[in-house]
This record gives sequence, structure tokens and C-alpha cells, in this order.
Amino acid sequence: EPEVTQTPSHQVTQMGQEVILRCVPISNHLYFYWYRQILGQKVEFLVSFYNNEISEKSEIFDDQFSVERPDGSNFTLKIRSTKLEDSAMYFCASSDPSGPSYNEQFFGPGTRLTVL
Amino acid sequence: SQQGEEDPQALSIQEGENATMNCSYKTSINNLQWYRQNSGRGLVHLILIRSNEREKHSGRLRVTLDTSKKSSSLLITASRAADTASYFCATAYTNAGKSTFGDGTTLTVKP
Repeated sequence: EPEVTQTPSHQVTQMGQEVILRCVPISNHLYFYWYRQILGQKVEFLVSFYNNEISEKSEIFDDQFSVERPDGSNFTLKIRSTKLEDSAMYFCASSDPSGPSYNEQFFGPGTRLTVL
Repeated sequence: SQQGEEDPQALSIQEGENATMNCSYKTSINNLQWYRQNSGRGLVHLILIRSNEREKHSGRLRVTLDTSKKSSSLLITASRAADTASYFCATAYTNAGKSTFGDGTTLTVKP
């Protein structure tokens, strides 16, 4: 069964450093999302992406965040200058706008980001 | 806020019993999805129910949606120890729109 994959599974970085989290959405999906979950808290929406542009973003997604689909398969989240409070599990998700499972958002296994 | 809110926060049952979790939300939705999350792991998609649907089944899972009460329930029948996890509802108010998650219900199934 197709699935969303994410790399790395765990990223440790120093405060102020840039990190890039990578995702490979399900191949026929056209909508892509990033969410995060701070330890012990609920899952929070960051950004959605469609047709090579951001379709919606949350207040969390400020200027230090950016997303990119550099090729036909990868979807990345960049954090330019990490802060301690960016430590969280980051989830990528994708959905298919058509077919029997349209709008179902399938999540990847997550990248645990630890900022020291 | 359209935020889903689950109750109970925690549920502990014996293997073989049924588990029911509820989700309430505040604004009209396009769809509602239920997810399972094992501790420290990813989110596993369980069921999506659309605003024009009232009930869906998948194996031992049954989801209902009552748009007049702005609530949904997830029933797990004949629970197993492996069902132990946190369960979240997530609401979306547009097609392919962002999902807004609740705090989740932590289910413990004792063998």
C-alpha cells in the first residue's frame, strides 16, 4: 500500500541552525501538508501546498519557515534559524483530490526535531 | 473555532469490551477524520466521514456523525490489547483543507 515517507526520522540541531525536513508524498496525491506536534500536545497545522504554491498557512508558519517541492516527488519544510521551541515531531501529509479516498489525509511517520 | 474536542480524555477497558470515543466541534465541517497514534509514533488514518454521511464502518470500527449536534463517535468493538493508543478526531471545513485536531482520547485495553 502506498505511504508517505519522511526523512530523517530524528534530527538534532543547535539553536540558530537551519534544518530541512524531507517528505515523499503518495505519488498521485496533489495536496501536501505539514503539521507539528510538540511533546504531550495536540497536532497543529502549519501549512498546506497545492499546485506549487502555499494554499493556507497558520500563525505558527512565520518567516523562518518555508516549503518547497523541488522535484516531482519531494516536499520539504525548511526552518531557517531554529529555536528551542521548534522542538517537536513534524508530520507531512498528503491527500488525493479525486477518487474514492479523496480528502483523506495520509500522514508520514514523522521527523522528531530536537533543538539544543 | 472548529476544533474537535474528544471525550473522554482517557478510557481504560478490558480486552473484548467495546470502546466508544466522542468528538465535538463548533463550526460546520466538510469532513471529519479519525486517527490512531501509538506513543511517540505517527498518525494512522482510520476513517473519513463526510458531512453528508451518517455512519461508516471499517472492520471493528464504526464511526457516526451527527451534524445537528456537531459530534462524532468512534466505536471499537471487541477491543484488543493492540488497540491501546491515542485516538484523535480531525475536522476540515473545506475540501482538501487543513485538519484541526482535538486533544485526543487515550485508550488502554487491558489483556
